[in-house]
Amino acid sequence: DIQMTQSPFSLSASVGDRVTITCRTSQSITSSLNWYQLKPGKAPKLLIHAASNLQSGVPSRFSGSGSGTDFTLTISSLQPEDIATYYCQQSYSLPYTFGQGSNLEIK
Amino acid sequence: QVQLQESGPGLVKPSETLSLTCTVSGGSINSFYWSWIRQPAGKGLEWIGRFYNSANTNYNPSLKSRVTMSVDTSKNQFSLKLSSVTAADTAVYYCARYYDSSRSNWFDPWGQGTLVTVSS
Repeated sequence: DIQMTQSPFSLSASVGDRVTITCRTSQSITSSLNWYQLKPGKAPKLLIHAASNLQSGVPSRFSGSGSGTDFTLTISSLQPEDIATYYCQQSYSLPYTFGQGSNLEIK
Repeated sequence: QVQLQESGPGLVKPSETLSLTCTVSGGSINSFYWSWIRQPAGKGLEWIGRFYNSANTNYNPSLKSRVTMSVDTSKNQFSLKLSSVTAADTAVYYCARYYDSSRSNWFDPWGQGTLVTVSS
């Protein structure tokens, strides 16, 4: 199985801050990396697919980059509604695996 | 807009079979892969498997011996059965569409999730 190492596990930032979450994989997955946003009681939301493609309807303050084994999710200007847990997921090979999650809080 | 909704018992006894259904609205269940994903309390997400038809099904090897997925196209529903459950199977269970494009693939949309507790 491809192992996913996501960091940080938890972070606190102020409204307007630039926030970066990283995801590292145990082997190269080219650009087969997706990012999801999870909020309690709500359906998880796809933010980014294929490493850098913004899903339709997702605010442009979200962006993704990377390829191979190192990937980044960036929120350019943090908004209160971005409070959530973020997960990366590799779609390169079965079984699909997820990172451990990054819990984002507002200072 | 496609929407998914999980349903099923919230409490299952140890050693019994967990059964969940996902109802798809706003679109056809045909011509897509459908997946189940779970999240134990305080832990990360775990992919359970994906189903297209009986000849195109993949399960996570960690659960393969206990998992069965199926689709009922007449009801626009797909289902999950997990046998011989233990407390370790207590989790929020999500259903999701597995979208497979020519360049990549991803899970979208997802259901809201349903909590299943394994306890006597």
